[in-house]
Amino acid sequence: ILNVEQSPQSLHVQEGDSTNFTCSFPSSNFYALHWYRWETAKSPEALFVMTLNGDEKKKGRISATLNTKEGYSYLYIKGSQPEDSATYLCASLSGSARQLTFGSGTQLTVLP
Amino acid sequence: EAQVTQNPRYLITVTGKKLTVTCSQNMNHEYMSWYRQDPGLGLRQIYYSMNVEVTDKGDVPEGYKVSRKEKRNFPLILESPSPNQTSLYFCASSFTSAGEQFFGPGTRLTVL
Repeated sequence: ILNVEQSPQSLHVQEGDSTNFTCSFPSSNFYALHWYRWETAKSPEALFVMTLNGDEKKKGRISATLNTKEGYSYLYIKGSQPEDSATYLCASLSGSARQLTFGSGTQLTVLP
Repeated sequence: EAQVTQNPRYLITVTGKKLTVTCSQNMNHEYMSWYRQDPGLGLRQIYYSMNVEVTDKGDVPEGYKVSRKEKRNFPLILESPSPNQTSLYFCASSFTSAGEQFFGPGTRLTVL
């Protein structure tokens, strides 16, 4: 079983603050890295799928970077809004590229 | 509407009573998987399927069975449920194992 670690476990920020979280994953046999946003009482929804070292993706105020050589990815949220409150999950695909392994998530609360 | 459906959404049952949770997708996805979510542990993969008639164990397959007789359906079978299978279950599908996962609405299972 791969170890995909996310930090911090939880985070409270004020509305308007920018924030970031970390996902670390085994760098050997890397295939892809996924980020998902999971709101309470809903299902996880994909934010990004990243495959290339140095890749940077952006969707509105949310962006992500990927370093496959050292095995980490950052998710950034610029100007956090209360509607950004959710758990953010990362997942790594490696080896045979058949099995996605999820981290335990970072729970973000944006205070108005 | 493109979606993944799961039934039932909520189920309370007793130890040893066989049950099936259905999962169906209408996006012609080849890859389907089942996850369970427990507090503090994130999403853990139970089984996955790369295509029709091809299924493989994930990280926590004990006590579960699956089948993939048709591309759109991927039922999860608990032959003899036990209380440690009380959990929130998600079905997901994607075009490939590396592609973004589309999650169903979840099934909350309680085994007494």
